[in-house]
Amino acid sequence: QVQLVESGGGVVQPGRSLRLSCATSGFSFSSYAMHWVRQAPGKGLEWVAHISYDGRSQFYEDSVKGRFTISRDNFRNILYLQINSLRREDTAIYYCARVITRDRVPAYFASWGQGTLVTVSS
Amino acid sequence: SYVLTQPPSVSVAPGRTASITCGGNKIETIGVHWYQQKPGQAPVLVVFDDSSRPSGIPERFSGFTSADTATLTISRVEAGDEADYYCQVWHTSSDQGVFGGGTKLTVL
Repeated sequence: QVQLVESGGGVVQPGRSLRLSCATSGFSFSSYAMHWVRQAPGKGLEWVAHISYDGRSQFYEDSVKGRFTISRDNFRNILYLQINSLRREDTAIYYCARVITRDRVPAYFASWGQGTLVTVSS
Repeated sequence: SYVLTQPPSVSVAPGRTASITCGGNKIETIGVHWYQQKPGQAPVLVVFDDSSRPSGIPERFSGFTSADTATLTISRVEAGDEADYYCQVWHTSSDQGVFGGGTKLTVL
């Protein structure tokens, strides 16, 4: 079955960097667009970033542009999120999600990992 | 940017029908998707493309979209349906995903 397992979260000081990983199995990773979605403590879901199935296109939520980089390794079936210049407001659970597309346009999140918690604190 | 508006909370008695709305400009022209999230768990897709159900989701869950409002309807509500529900679209003009603020469904 489809499995998505995030890792790399932890407690980080403001201004520092972190790389999150999402190890996948049970589906043809290189055929699917992938996204990151986050959820601050007690808050709602917030879409963060998209990467196409081949890694050639990426889109970002406005508040993370220039600080976050989404990437993928289609040989190792792993999705990444590089987070630089961390801010307190980046504190959240970060989920990776497998995306179903329509004519290469993202539509919905068919499968989710369990998430990894990033806490930005001095 | 595109905004989706949901009521913060909805309450319903067991066995009754719950309706959760999601408002957005001309939302009927965009595919709307719904997720259920229980405390401490990842979201689960319950309706996609306005009204389709993934395998394993009970027929009690249904969706409908018209004009500026999408609605998730849960019939014969059970205690296990108590959760947060989120609507979601992909906004092609900005190439960004958008979630509604979420609705907490309470089963009385």
